[in-house]
Amino acid sequence: DTAVSQTPKYLVTQMGNDKSIKCEQNLGHDTMYWYKQDSKKFLKIMFSYNNKELIINETVPNRFSPKSPDKAHLNLHINSLELGDSAVYFCASSHPFSPLHFGNGTRLTVT
Amino acid sequence: DAKTTQPPSMDCAEGRAANLPCNHSTISGNEYVYWYRQIHSQGPQYIIHGLKNNETNEMASLIITEDRKSSTLILPHATLRDTAVYYCIVLANFGNEKLTFGTGTRLTIIP
Repeated sequence: DTAVSQTPKYLVTQMGNDKSIKCEQNLGHDTMYWYKQDSKKFLKIMFSYNNKELIINETVPNRFSPKSPDKAHLNLHINSLELGDSAVYFCASSHPFSPLHFGNGTRLTVT
Repeated sequence: DAKTTQPPSMDCAEGRAANLPCNHSTISGNEYVYWYRQIHSQGPQYIIHGLKNNETNEMASLIITEDRKSSTLILPHATLRDTAVYYCIVLANFGNEKLTFGTGTRLTIIP
């Protein structure tokens, strides 16, 4: 009965590859997010979607493309992976004006 | 959003109350104080939030000073499972879209 689930939990890949991280929430929330936590543990928002519509797009390289096939899913596609993309990526969801519920993260390692 | 200042680390004995301070001297009148925590290898977890009145829920209590320039999160009976990094965040209008995490306080519960 996981509320916000991400797959995979770990992802190891080589530079230049294209990879995807999937996120699903079963809370009925309208808004979903992607956050990135770097090696210094700073957690920063990347994207926000509300009812499948992009709301926030922070200064993120266009190699990163979120895709929301429906309200319960927000997947993150990353093209041409670089070493600096190594981080933990967190998906989250919320109702409007309510606290965020986070998944347990996907640790991406680019070699 | 206003910035917050938290001690980098704190220890607390198991079973005792853990009091985590946060300074937010530049907080605006419409900004709420939110607390999240991140247990190792997990996503951030919402704890509590408030505007100007003290708040209590099943997890913690939040004490906000009258001038709103600082607050204290209280875990009344700390357990080992409360060991985590605790983040104090100020944010306007309930909106979580720009939820930005600082460095937080690493709380260690000592057996």
